[in-house]
Amino acid sequence: DTEVTQTPKHLVMGMTNKKSLKCEQHMGHRAMYWYKQKAKKPPELMFVYSYEKLSINESVPSRFSPECPNSSLLNLHLHALQPEDSALYLCASSQDGLAGGAASTDTQYFGPGTRLTVL
Amino acid sequence: AQKITQTQPGMFVQEKEAVTLDCTYDTSDQSYGLFWYKQPSSGEMIFLIYQGSYDEQNATEGRYSLNFQKARKSANLVISASQLGDSAMYFCAMSRRGKSTFGDGTTLTVKP
Repeated sequence: DTEVTQTPKHLVMGMTNKKSLKCEQHMGHRAMYWYKQKAKKPPELMFVYSYEKLSINESVPSRFSPECPNSSLLNLHLHALQPEDSALYLCASSQDGLAGGAASTDTQYFGPGTRLTVL
Repeated sequence: AQKITQTQPGMFVQEKEAVTLDCTYDTSDQSYGLFWYKQPSSGEMIFLIYQGSYDEQNATEGRYSLNFQKARKSANLVISASQLGDSAMYFCAMSRRGKSTFGDGTTLTVKP
């Protein structure tokens, strides 16, 4: 089973709203990721969690706030977004965490994404 | 820094024929992973195939095979016996220490 689930599938929000995206996996994977993807472009890495700790933040604006409550769940809290933040937000997970000093070449399994529209 | 180049923005193939999607990469690392993903219009990124940099054999998964030429730094995807459902965007990606770098993608259209 390589299923990663994401809710909601679609989200429309105003610039003053606060909303959250949710991602869940039950494969025992130790690394989880958030990506942002604009139309007809490749995904761009935002955050990586390894063993429930934030390992990589790709200089993402603070209006995006990730949270990893446990090893199966990953949230992305959204506040005061801009229209240019409208995109497909993809969550992914991979088996091993990012061990220090070790290369991690694990396959990342993606969820179906949340299509976010900011008005 | 890692870089992935996909030089074919769009490709057409006749149903039941084979097609090759090109991917070249640039890295100074010795250990890395190369991946191909399929993204239909629904948006989900579907893992297709993986090749490790130390793997001597080319990876195969059903109708998908990866033509890995390490010296040329290329990792082309070959899809045999194309089906209408293969129409999608295809991304080549490289992973190193949790950071994945994606190419710009190739849109494949399978004609009946």
